[in-house]
Amino acid sequence: AQSVTQLGSHVSVSEGALVLLRCNYSSSVPPYLFWYVQYPNQGLQLLLKYTSAATLVKGINGFEAEFKKSETSFHLTKPSAHMSDAAEYFCAVGFSGNTPLVFGKGTRLSVIA
Amino acid sequence: KAGVTQTPRYLIKTRGQQVTLSCSPISGHRSVSWYQQTPGQGLQFLFEYFSETQRNKGNFPGRFSGRQFSNSRSEMNVSTLELGDSALYLCASRKWDRGGSLETQYFGPGTRLLVL
Repeated sequence: AQSVTQLGSHVSVSEGALVLLRCNYSSSVPPYLFWYVQYPNQGLQLLLKYTSAATLVKGINGFEAEFKKSETSFHLTKPSAHMSDAAEYFCAVGFSGNTPLVFGKGTRLSVIA
Repeated sequence: KAGVTQTPRYLIKTRGQQVTLSCSPISGHRSVSWYQQTPGQGLQFLFEYFSETQRNKGNFPGRFSGRQFSNSRSEMNVSTLELGDSALYLCASRKWDRGGSLETQYFGPGTRLLVL
């Protein structure tokens, strides 16, 4: 069965520091991979999506993620954290055939001034 | 283009009651999915509808049901509410690719249900 593991339920960084949120997936077929962000009392907003066109995917708000097949990883990074990045981040995996997404448990990002 | 809308945004019910939540997808999106989000279990898939038919189903009891109308709007119903049904219920819409590629899901703001 396909699954997603997000390492670290809570990550804290200083403003201006590198943001690294980890996501590993398990899949027997080529996956589609997503990162979503959720701000308090809101729904999920798409940050970026991997569809096999390029291994490095650039998203909104300066985030990017790199697909590494050998490591079955899709970690999310941002060079310099901003206070407005404080939110919960979800990694999700999906597959062709209109299948439902499988979400990780989420990582709450705190940004310290 | 308007996003996914959900009504109501907040709801308080008591145990044993039933509730109906509504979702209007993005224009042109014909698939609607429902998720339950709780602090303990995270995001759990309930079901997905396309063309008024349930296409995918998660592992939830029969008290959770849904339907989709011809205009793609969807409702989900929870009968005989339990305390554990307190959660944020998220609706998401996407296009349905008959060729099989996975279209992106776009989420609504959610309905927060509190069961007392």
